[in-house]
Amino acid sequence: SAVISQKPSRDICQRGTSLTIQCQVDSQVTMMFWYRQQPGQSLTLIATANQGSEATYESGFVIDKFPISRPNLTFSTLTVSNMSPEDSSIYLCSVLWTAGGPAEQYFGPGTRLTVT
Amino acid sequence: AQKITQTQPGMFVQEKEAVTLDCTYDTSDQSYGLFWYKQPSSGEMIFLIYQGSYDEQNATEGRYSLNFQKARKSANLVISASQLGDSAMYFCAMRGMDSSYKLIFGSGTRLLVRP
Repeated sequence: SAVISQKPSRDICQRGTSLTIQCQVDSQVTMMFWYRQQPGQSLTLIATANQGSEATYESGFVIDKFPISRPNLTFSTLTVSNMSPEDSSIYLCSVLWTAGGPAEQYFGPGTRLTVT
Repeated sequence: AQKITQTQPGMFVQEKEAVTLDCTYDTSDQSYGLFWYKQPSSGEMIFLIYQGSYDEQNATEGRYSLNFQKARKSANLVISASQLGDSAMYFCAMRGMDSSYKLIFGSGTRLLVRP
């Protein structure tokens, strides 16, 4: 399986500022995803990070608010822009792992964001 | 549209006993995958088990097994010999076999193992 790390693990930010979250994988992967988990809720896909092209965003999420970069096959960043308290969530990076069997999906440890 | 339903917001189980966490799904896809994840209080999502819609046998991984009933559209997780460390949130998820590979998650079940 893939080993995924995220930075920062947690942060407390002020309203109106931006935070960039990094996701690093120990192996090359084709597909990387960013999910959001609001307090007490389930996970919702924000976007799929595509290497060499624009990210694909889900309904309700826009590039201006959540710009994503994917410069290579092992790294991606998610920026949460112009933050408000409603952005307080756990943000999780996920990768698609195909190693001869069915494609499995693994998650990073998450970034716990609190906006004050 | 795909949908995952977990009807048990919370469950208790005695240590060393088995427990079943319910999951039903709705999809018009013929081919799909079903996943279970564990989320401890630390927030990480730990992959537990996977079942493909065309797999004839129920998936098993150590103490975890998936009771897959395709006609009923259910994919219940069975944890045998519960341990205190099993206390966590458990999420059922589904993925269609289109090229998006995105996961749709249920609302989760919080499991508490009693000593």
